[in-house]
Amino acid sequence: KAGVTQTPRYLIKTRGQQVTLSCSPISGHRSVSWYQQTPGQGLQFLFEYFSETQRNKGNFPGRFSGRQFSNSRSEMNVSTLELGDSALYLCASSLWGGNYGYTFGSGTRLTVV
Amino acid sequence: QQQVKQSPQSLIVQKGGISIINCAYENTAFDYFPWYQQFPGKGPALLIAIRPDVSEKKEGRFTISFNKSAKQFSLHIMDSQPGDSATYFCAASREQGAQKLVFGQGTRLTINP
Repeated sequence: KAGVTQTPRYLIKTRGQQVTLSCSPISGHRSVSWYQQTPGQGLQFLFEYFSETQRNKGNFPGRFSGRQFSNSRSEMNVSTLELGDSALYLCASSLWGGNYGYTFGSGTRLTVV
Repeated sequence: QQQVKQSPQSLIVQKGGISIINCAYENTAFDYFPWYQQFPGKGPALLIAIRPDVSEKKEGRFTISFNKSAKQFSLHIMDSQPGDSATYFCAASREQGAQKLVFGQGTRLTINP
């Protein structure tokens, strides 16, 4: 079966712009989580959605937001981009939540210049 | 209390040797401990996971050892192969509710042929 699909794979944006990243989970998976991966901070949890509801949120500023659609596809948005937002953004899907095993996508590499 | 500390940061092992990566956690409410393997350009992939009701779990060449009283767990890779060269992440979470995974900082493993 198809894995977790993230689009786009690479993105270059300018400071102050906003960006939207997309994630299509594995068919049947209802939980979608987003993580930010950087060399300095490692993998940090952004938020999790389950059946279109945000169930959990990490310690990121309000510029980071997300949503989930009725078909479980999810988007995350970052507004007013800062240089420090440059990172690999990973989406992970699971049947019920991370404790039952995530499947990660290959990520979107965001570079802010 | 949410941290998971992982060591070493990098590890070089000869082909056929045993690779050992260690993690320690603080939150005694954690009850799910997975290990993820990440290759360059890819998202992390679930390798093996353990729950605290057992002290050891083995899958092929990969073994998790778990010490609940010391709040430590480790990954052992037996007969390490060059194809095992990757970055390994330990993680922890609580099984109940919508709980995020807290990741260690990662270990870059290199297996020399």
